[in-house]
Amino acid sequence: GDSVTQMEGPVTLSEEAFLTINCTYTATGYPSLFWYVQYPGEGLQLLLKATKADDKGSNKGFEATYRKETTSFHLEKGSVQVSDSAVYFCALPPNAGGTSYGKLTFGQGTILTVHP
Amino acid sequence: DVKVTQSSRYLVKRTGEKVFLECVQDMDHENMFWYRQDPGLGLRLIYFSYDVKMKEKGDIPEGYSVSREKKERFSLILESASTNQTSMYLCASSLDYISYEQYFGPGTRLTVT
Repeated sequence: GDSVTQMEGPVTLSEEAFLTINCTYTATGYPSLFWYVQYPGEGLQLLLKATKADDKGSNKGFEATYRKETTSFHLEKGSVQVSDSAVYFCALPPNAGGTSYGKLTFGQGTILTVHP
Repeated sequence: DVKVTQSSRYLVKRTGEKVFLECVQDMDHENMFWYRQDPGLGLRLIYFSYDVKMKEKGDIPEGYSVSREKKERFSLILESASTNQTSMYLCASSLDYISYEQYFGPGTRLTVT
């Protein structure tokens, strides 16, 4: 089935630094792509999504561009804050060519810690 | 506001016990999911349900079963808990079979001793 690979963490940054978390995918078609975030002690929540090639998803200062040529969906933020400390998951439907019944396949997660 | 609740935040059980994890959503969603989350492995799907009384195995169903008697409630059952089932368990729901935005509960940290 389709899959995602995230950069290994953890990632530690100082406040106001630039953030990139890499995500590449393997898919038979052109699936929608997602970034979810998990803040400490909470469940995951959708951060942003892109539904077709060259789409850019954005939310809370984070951005990710769906790049078909490099099969990537890297997450970026220009200036991170301490409150961005969380675990970030890249995700896609497991079967872009068929019916996934709303299922998602998640990457292994990247832990981000931002220091003041 | 959308809400998914799980019956316990922390649970400690003994090997061989039967364990029930309950999940309730108040959004009238068709789909519900159970995942386990382990460091370095991300989220792995145990079971999901796309309608009342309908269920399908996910990627790691062994040692687990589920029940969905009412639309809002999805239960995960560990028939005979083992130490390798110590993990964080996350429940989620989504509107229907074409909606990929999943809403998650806060998780249950289960320890089997």
